[in-house]
Amino acid sequence: GENVEQHPSTLSVQEGDSAVIKCTYSDSASNYFPWYKQELGKRPQLIIDIRSNVGEKKDQRIAVTLNKTAKHFSLHITETQPEDSAVYFCAASKREYGNKLVFGAGTILRVKS
Amino acid sequence: GAVVSQHPSRVICKSGTSVKIECRSLDFQATTMFWYRQFPKKSLMLMATSNEGSKATYEQGVEKDKFLINHASLTLSTLTVTSAHPEDSSFYICSAQPGLAPETQYFGPGTRLLVL
Repeated sequence: GENVEQHPSTLSVQEGDSAVIKCTYSDSASNYFPWYKQELGKRPQLIIDIRSNVGEKKDQRIAVTLNKTAKHFSLHITETQPEDSAVYFCAASKREYGNKLVFGAGTILRVKS
Repeated sequence: GAVVSQHPSRVICKSGTSVKIECRSLDFQATTMFWYRQFPKKSLMLMATSNEGSKATYEQGVEKDKFLINHASLTLSTLTVTSAHPEDSSFYICSAQPGLAPETQYFGPGTRLLVL
């Protein structure tokens, strides 16, 4: 089955700097890659997603890139703000697997002001 | 749009009792809902996939007689933790998929269960 690895486990950046979180997946048939932000005790919130027919997607300060050949995808947050501090999860799924999401272990992002 | 609610938000129960958790999609129909369990500082672990009108599909290692799932309508799925024990204490989260965006999952706010 699918295995998703996420790095780093923790990331501290200064306010205004960029943050990059990377994930690799094992199943080349996976075709959907969402990123979720979860604050302590709250629900995971979808912040951006990308499908396998696209290499990059951007939404204001957030971007995701996908390299299908290398089977990895990354989350980029620019101009970080203290409110970006949270746990970020990547995930992968494929239609043939019932669209079940396989999550990475998560990255704790701390933005220091 | 794409709002998912969950009830209750937290529950405390005694060992041996059963607890029912409801997951509702408020502004869309969801043919598929998922139930996850999350331990502190850990990732989400999929427990089961719930399809409207059919039996749930459980992940390996999840006891179907312990965690009863019912998907009675296109907007409601329930998880019942039967004969709860302290080790069942956890954060339970559901998610739902809108039919027009079948891959996307929107999550409920979670239910924190504490079994004494």
